[in-house]
Amino acid sequence: QQQVKQSPQSLIVQKGGISIINCAYENTAFDYFPWYQQFPGKGPALLIAIRPDVSEKKEGRFTISFNKSAKQFSLHIMDSQPGDSATYFCAAEFTGANNLFFGTGTRLTVIP
Amino acid sequence: DVKVTQSSRYLVKRTGEKVFLECVQDMDHENMFWYRQDPGLGLRLIYFSYDVKMKEKGDIPEGYSVSREKKERFSLILESASTNQTSMYLCASSFETGGLREQYFGPGTRLTVT
Repeated sequence: QQQVKQSPQSLIVQKGGISIINCAYENTAFDYFPWYQQFPGKGPALLIAIRPDVSEKKEGRFTISFNKSAKQFSLHIMDSQPGDSATYFCAAEFTGANNLFFGTGTRLTVIP
Repeated sequence: DVKVTQSSRYLVKRTGEKVFLECVQDMDHENMFWYRQDPGLGLRLIYFSYDVKMKEKGDIPEGYSVSREKKERFSLILESASTNQTSMYLCASSFETGGLREQYFGPGTRLTVT
């Protein structure tokens, strides 16, 4: 059973546009929500993460929006660039656990 | 810079062979993980280890075993490879700092079982 549901599976965005990837979870014990970015031929790398005590976290063009009551969180990429083309994974974890639960991934393509 | 290295980038094995995938990290991390990555299924945890000689099953441990004899090294073993184990295998390590646990991934090993 998928603990974290991610959509869409793939996304095509024009350069300069906004990319939005959504994730949902059921386990209210989750208290850490990271996003990982994976370029072809590389392993995933941490992009940005949030804890549920805040509703938004911004780092440069990347923003996580978090809705605790709806048990949803999303990644927004502003002014998307071709260099942002990658696969993005959302994930969730709870304190005391040693492992992350990953979403199924979104392949983002930003066209010039 | 944290570095996680995997012994092979590409591997081709025959059905029934015993396969060893090796992973080494250089940051003294307590936790190490093995995932497999398949299109549309994301990253699925096979096994993880939170200390030397300790291991825990993940979501899909069937057909796999692991070994962690030294802190820096975590091995994934396919006792008798099958075609449905053709996949990308990713190793990761982590430590906890400030309450946020970042996992550092290796580049992956693409295994093909024929």
